[in-house]
Amino acid sequence: KQEVTQIPAALSVPEGENLVLNCSFTDSAIYNLQWFRQDPGKGLTSLLLIQSSQREQTSGRLNASLDKSSGRSTLYIAASQPGDSATYLCAAQRRSGGSNYKLTFGKGTLLTVNP
Amino acid sequence: ETGVTQTPRHLVMGMTNKKSLKCEQHLGHNAMYWYKQSAKKPLELMFVYNFKEQTENNSVPSRFSPECPNSSHLFLHLHTLQPEDSALYLCASSHFLSGGGAYEQYFGPGTRLTVT
Repeated sequence: KQEVTQIPAALSVPEGENLVLNCSFTDSAIYNLQWFRQDPGKGLTSLLLIQSSQREQTSGRLNASLDKSSGRSTLYIAASQPGDSATYLCAAQRRSGGSNYKLTFGKGTLLTVNP
Repeated sequence: ETGVTQTPRHLVMGMTNKKSLKCEQHLGHNAMYWYKQSAKKPLELMFVYNFKEQTENNSVPSRFSPECPNSSHLFLHLHTLQPEDSALYLCASSHFLSGGGAYEQYFGPGTRLTVT
């Protein structure tokens, strides 16, 4: 059974700081890993998707890396801004049977960026 | 409308009520999903539909009944719920190919359900 763990559970930083969020997964037989952002009481916004054959993906100030063999992914946020405050979720996708692919989520990291 | 929409956004219901949640995707996808997000727990997959056929039921109690009349619409029918069913219910959609392949999932804003 896949388990996804995110560390830290909460993080508070001053504006402008660079930061790293960590995600680990127990079953390395994944097809991809997605990072999402969730604002309070809202749905999920997809930030980055890394295929299992890739090592990293970048979008603006965000960079996500994947080390499948060690079961780890990191999300790097450069020059953080108060608008980055949200919960960040990672999810590992693997085959669950037949042609189905299942996302397993971590509990998330609650990020607060202070002005 | 664009992306994935869900209605209602908030719902309060008694334990003896029957209600339905609606999800619609405008992305041309052919797979749809229901997830449950409870406080302090990871998102839990409830149901998966591929090409309108239910392909996964993640041990969900029968008081939750999904319906997928076409590849753009997904419903979750609720009856005789318990207070512990109070949660944020999220719908998602993605591409799906019967030959396989894992695709990015796009989520709706969710329905905040409170069972009293």
